[in-house]
Amino acid sequence: NAGVTQTPKFQVLKTGQSMTLQCAQDMNHNSMYWYRQDPGMGLRLIYYSASEGTTDKGEVPNGYNVSRLNKREFSLRLESAAPSQTSVYFCASRGLGSSTDTQYFGPGTRLTVL
Amino acid sequence: AQSVTQLDSQVPVFEEAPVELRCNYSSSVSVYLFWYVQYPNQGLQLLLKYLSGSTLVKGINGFEAEFNKSQTSFHLRKPSVHISDTAEYFCAVSSLTGNQFYFGTGTSLTVIP
Repeated sequence: NAGVTQTPKFQVLKTGQSMTLQCAQDMNHNSMYWYRQDPGMGLRLIYYSASEGTTDKGEVPNGYNVSRLNKREFSLRLESAAPSQTSVYFCASRGLGSSTDTQYFGPGTRLTVL
Repeated sequence: AQSVTQLDSQVPVFEEAPVELRCNYSSSVSVYLFWYVQYPNQGLQLLLKYLSGSTLVKGINGFEAEFNKSQTSFHLRKPSVHISDTAEYFCAVSSLTGNQFYFGTGTSLTVIP
């Protein structure tokens, strides 16, 4: 099991450029999440998908879009990148059930917007 | 909705000394509670979790936490820290029926030789 994988690991964009962050999990989890991590602010939820075919906004969705392509994959798109979107982005998936209700995180994508 | 407060942003401690990292939460419903650890340039790794049952929860690497419902706290403890425990620690809360997790702002633990 690879767990949760993210690509790319690093990315530098210019203001106004677009890009898609990819996330995949091989644990057959229903729920998937995108977070951003900024110094002193912890993790903030951007979007989540409770199940295949559904997506919902989190705390900081502005400037982002998501696609739950299938049960395994959940992508995050920046349509027009801004310097304020410089951050580390983490994807997570969640298993259900009282003994497995835990989020598993990917290694992160470090994004710099110039 | 729920929220989490981690009272200490930075905690320096000498090697082999005990440590406590504090976490308080706010919620109007019953919750699950988690502690995650993040080593430099890595993702988050589950340290321990409270779902139900005994309020004293043991996790990996010798860490434990105690759920105190009356004080709405879930403090993390270790009796003797090692250099390798230097990392960022995050407390998180989730409602029993909700889909979202809410994270604290993190506590940076630095173990001094």
